[in-house]
Amino acid sequence: EPEVTQTPSHQVTQMGQEVILRCVPISNHLYFYWYRQILGQKVEFLVSFYNNEISEKSEIFDDQFSVERPDGSNFTLKIRSTKLEDSAMYFCASHNLDRGPTEAFFGQGTRLTVV
Amino acid sequence: RKEVEQDPGPFNVPEGATVAFNCTYSNSASQSFFWYRQDCRKEPKLLMSVYSSGNEDGRFTAQLNRASQYISLLIRDSKLSDSATYLCVVNDNYGQNFVFGPGTRLSVLP
Repeated sequence: EPEVTQTPSHQVTQMGQEVILRCVPISNHLYFYWYRQILGQKVEFLVSFYNNEISEKSEIFDDQFSVERPDGSNFTLKIRSTKLEDSAMYFCASHNLDRGPTEAFFGQGTRLTVV
Repeated sequence: RKEVEQDPGPFNVPEGATVAFNCTYSNSASQSFFWYRQDCRKEPKLLMSVYSSGNEDGRFTAQLNRASQYISLLIRDSKLSDSATYLCVVNDNYGQNFVFGPGTRLSVLP
């Protein structure tokens, strides 16, 4: 069964450092997302990406964040200068609107710890 | 503001019990609706989509009331393995964004 894969599974970084979280969405999907979940809190939308550009972003997704699809398979989230409050689980998801609304498929997540 | 609200929980029920979760959403233009399940420190996984006519999958029944903007999930004959957080998810903007509720935690006790 096709799945969304994320790397690394766990990343520890010092405050102020840049991190790049990587995702390989399901190959025939058209929409890609990043969500985050701070421990014990709800899943929060960060950004959606379609046709090689951002289609929607939340207020969390400020200038420190960026997304890119550098090739045909990878979808990355970059945090330029990490803060302690960026520590969270980051989930990538993909979705195919080809035949009408369907569910989003989530990767297993990257746990980011900023120290 | 687009929001999805759920029962605050947690729900602690004995094995074999029937439990119901409620969810309301604020955006009347929402297009599709889902229940996801999330185990501790894992990714959300689809439990079932919710259709206008209501739908059932084994012990799980989902209902949608568009007029009241209300979604429900019923779990019958609960098992220990049903212990998880149940997330109500609503799809806005013609499929472009998935909005999550805060989740309701279920613990099924032996």
